[in-house]
Amino acid sequence: DGGITQSPKYLFRKEGQNVTLSCEQNLNHDAMYWYRQDPGQGLRLIYYSQIVNDFQKGDIAEGYSVSREKKESFPLTVTSAQKNPTAFYLCASRRDRGPQYFGPGTRLLVL
Amino acid sequence: QKEVEQDPGPLSVPEGAIVSLNCTYSNSAFQYFMWYRQYSRKGPELLMYTYSSGNKEDGRFTAQVDKSSKYISLFIRDSQPSDSATYLCAMSINDYKLSFGAGTTVTVRA
Repeated sequence: DGGITQSPKYLFRKEGQNVTLSCEQNLNHDAMYWYRQDPGQGLRLIYYSQIVNDFQKGDIAEGYSVSREKKESFPLTVTSAQKNPTAFYLCASRRDRGPQYFGPGTRLLVL
Repeated sequence: QKEVEQDPGPLSVPEGAIVSLNCTYSNSAFQYFMWYRQYSRKGPELLMYTYSSGNKEDGRFTAQVDKSSKYISLFIRDSQPSDSATYLCAMSINDYKLSFGAGTTVTVRA
């Protein structure tokens, strides 16, 4: 069953803590993306990666970090430097050409 | 001014009505246009993808692109309560980095 999986579905972060959101795809897509969605706002790009071992900052990269060691995986770490992390985080992927497809999302809440 | 403008609604229509959704954009370099449907607390689902001016039809959905007016539309015919969702328009210059509208919330009343 091909698709994009994100885990966990809900994540709670304590003050000063780093947390990592998982994104895995078995679609053999080359490019992967991380977005943040806040109520009433469109999706904002955090980071993207077009090939393994390479990634670029998006529009709101401060306070986040990523890695792309495998084609299938693109984890996002929300660091303690991100002062307003509460949001819905969406991972997406695409072939070398064509539209992006999204995962189910992770909701991050601050305790 | 935002790069992509989308009326947030909310839009409420009776079952069976035609739903009309619109986005305008300012960057004439946009070439690829998408519509996504997003149910509450779920990831967006691709509905339509097009890269040319004109109409594209898929079942009850029609996407319309007018590059000269920098305007795209999505029409949903014979709307159903299951069409109640937020609809996001998205577009890109080079087919890999997207710019999104804020989304329009649609409710179809049974």
